[in-house]
Amino acid sequence: NAGVTQTPKFQVLKTGQSMTLQCAQDMNHNSMYWYRQDPGMGLRLIYYSASEGTTDKGEVPNGYNVSRLNKREFSLRLESAAPSQTSVYFCASHLLSGGAVETQYFGPGTRLLVL
Amino acid sequence: GENVEQHPSTLSVQEGDSAVIKCTYSDSASNYFPWYKQELGKRPQLIIDIRSNVGEKKDQRIAVTLNKTAKHFSLHITETQPEDSAVYFCAAGVQGGSEKLVFGKGMKLTVNP
Repeated sequence: NAGVTQTPKFQVLKTGQSMTLQCAQDMNHNSMYWYRQDPGMGLRLIYYSASEGTTDKGEVPNGYNVSRLNKREFSLRLESAAPSQTSVYFCASHLLSGGAVETQYFGPGTRLLVL
Repeated sequence: GENVEQHPSTLSVQEGDSAVIKCTYSDSASNYFPWYKQELGKRPQLIIDIRSNVGEKKDQRIAVTLNKTAKHFSLHITETQPEDSAVYFCAAGVQGGSEKLVFGKGMKLTVNP
C-alpha cells in the first residue's frame, strides 16, 4: 500500500514550457486534491475532484488544468509555465464516508522551478 | 467562503516548555478541524483532529480545544521535544458539504534543546 504517490519529485522548466504532474492513490479514496505551497502562504487549493468524473476550481486555479483520469489518478497540467508557478505541489486524497470529511493524506510533493 | 487565520506565525520554546497555536475560522458551518505537522522537506501529516460535537481531544502530549461560539480552536503541545520542531497547519472543513479543507498559513515551531 503506497498511499499517495507523485511524479516527478523535482522539475526545472523554462518559461512557456508545459508539463504534467502525476498523482495516484491506492487507498480507494473518492476525492483528490492539488495544492501549492509557497513560503508563508500555507497550502492553497488549486483544483479538486470530489469523485471520478468531476473536477472543481479551488482558490488559485489560473494557469492550471486537471484531469481525473480514473478513481486512482489525478493529474495537474501547466500549459505555459510562468516563474510565478515556482512552488512545491502536493497532491492529496481522502475517503468521503457517510458525508463526513475524513482525513486527507498527502503525497510526497513535487518541487517545481520555472526559470 | 471559509477563511482560517493562524497565530503566531513562528514560535520558539525551550525543551520541556508548552506550546500553543491558535486558529480562528469564519464559516459557522465548519465542523471538522484537523491539525497537520510538516517537517522540513516532508509532506504534511495529520497529528490530531476534532469535530464540532466535542470541545477537547487529547493524544499523549498533544491536545486540541474547540470553541464554536468564538470560532476558534487551538493546539496544545506539552513537554516539547526537539523532534516537535516543524511547521504546524490548522484547517477547517464542513461535514456533509464541500469536501474541501481550508488551511491556515502555518506556524513554525522551534524547540531549543
